[in-house]
Amino acid sequence: NAGVTQTPKFQVLKTGQSMTLQCAQDMNHEYMSWYRQDPGMGLRLIHYSVGAGITDQGEVPNGYNVSRSTTEDFPLRLLSAAPSQTSVYFCASSGRGAYEQYFGPGTRLTVT
Amino acid sequence: GNSVTQMEGPVTLSEEAFLTINCTYTATGYPSLFWYVQYPGEGLQLLLKATKADDKGSNKGFEATYRKETTSFHLEKGSVQVSDSAVYFCALSLSSNTGKLIFGQGTTLQVKP
Repeated sequence: NAGVTQTPKFQVLKTGQSMTLQCAQDMNHEYMSWYRQDPGMGLRLIHYSVGAGITDQGEVPNGYNVSRSTTEDFPLRLLSAAPSQTSVYFCASSGRGAYEQYFGPGTRLTVT
Repeated sequence: GNSVTQMEGPVTLSEEAFLTINCTYTATGYPSLFWYVQYPGEGLQLLLKATKADDKGSNKGFEATYRKETTSFHLEKGSVQVSDSAVYFCALSLSSNTGKLIFGQGTTLQVKP
């Protein structure tokens, strides 16, 4: 099993550009989440999904869109990048009723 | 609201020293509590968990006890190694049916030989 994979590993965007961060898991997990990690603030939940076709907002959803058309994939879209979105982004997944979340290796995004 | 507060870092210790990283929480209901560890350049890994009051989670020599009366879940290890150098996150979950975690700000541990 590859676990949770994320691409790209690094990305630099200009203000106003859009892009999609990819996340995939091969563990047949129902739950998937996106977090951003900023210094001194821990990880904050952006969006999450409890199954294909079902998504909901987390703590900091503004400026981001998600969709979940398959169990495996949960892409995160930045609509119009802003410097405030410079961060490290982590995708995570977990099984129904399981407490352990499995994290991907992260995407480091810089918006100039 | 629900939140997790960890002690400020960084924490610098010599090898074989005793480690405590404090974590307190505020939550409605009965949360499950976790410690995650992030090694340099990697994602987070679950270190240990406790799902009800008075439970003790343990793994790799680390321990933490779920104390409802003090709303705390402090992480301890009797003898740290250089390989324990990492960022440690305390987190809570209010449900196992959503995959949502609330994290503390993280505490950086550096262990010197």
